[in-house]
Amino acid sequence: ETGVTQSPTHLIKTRGQQVTLRCSSQSGHNTVSWYQQALGQGPQFIFQYYREEENGRGNFPPRFSGLQFPNYSSELNVNALELDDSALYLCASSRDIAGGPNTGELFFGEGSRLTVL
Amino acid sequence: AQSVTQLDSHVSVSEGTPVLLRCNYSSSYSPSLFWYVQHPNKGLQLLLKYTSAATLVKGINGFEAEFKKSETSFHLTKPSAHMSDAAEYFCVVSGNSGNTPLVFGKGTRLSVIA
Repeated sequence: ETGVTQSPTHLIKTRGQQVTLRCSSQSGHNTVSWYQQALGQGPQFIFQYYREEENGRGNFPPRFSGLQFPNYSSELNVNALELDDSALYLCASSRDIAGGPNTGELFFGEGSRLTVL
Repeated sequence: AQSVTQLDSHVSVSEGTPVLLRCNYSSSYSPSLFWYVQHPNKGLQLLLKYTSAATLVKGINGFEAEFKKSETSFHLTKPSAHMSDAAEYFCVVSGNSGNTPLVFGKGTRLSVIA
């Protein structure tokens, strides 16, 4: 079975631009989560998608938005980029909704490193 | 709210000596707890997971962790460090359903000296 794949691996944008990051989930997984990992920090939860619906959102502004497609792949869109958006963006897939005491394993991709100049 | 505190930002050990990475958690219920490892320029890989079965959890690559409810701790150990263990390690607690699926610690960087 294929793992979680993300694209692009690296990209550079300027302030005010928009970016779309893509994620293909692991086979058999219906849930995708996105995390932002700033340099030297642990990943911070952005949002989670389950069967094409947003199911939980962290403390990120509305200019961070997402989609999940019928094949369970996903996109993360960020509008009006700011310098502080520079980070590694991680996508993770799981067999079911994550959160709560019975949370199962999340499988992470290698991330998309975004630099905003 | 759920949270984890990794007590050391950086740990350095010699190859062949034991590894101890410390983690304390806070949770309003009996949580799931995880340790993930991140090698440079790589994604996160699950080392091990605690979900209220056995309190001593064995993971991959010789790592294990013990859940101690009385101490709210979930420390990661390995009897003998290998050079390939050098990486960033994250202690993770399951959050409330939906809003915060996983809550990560800030990470501990493990260096292994030859």
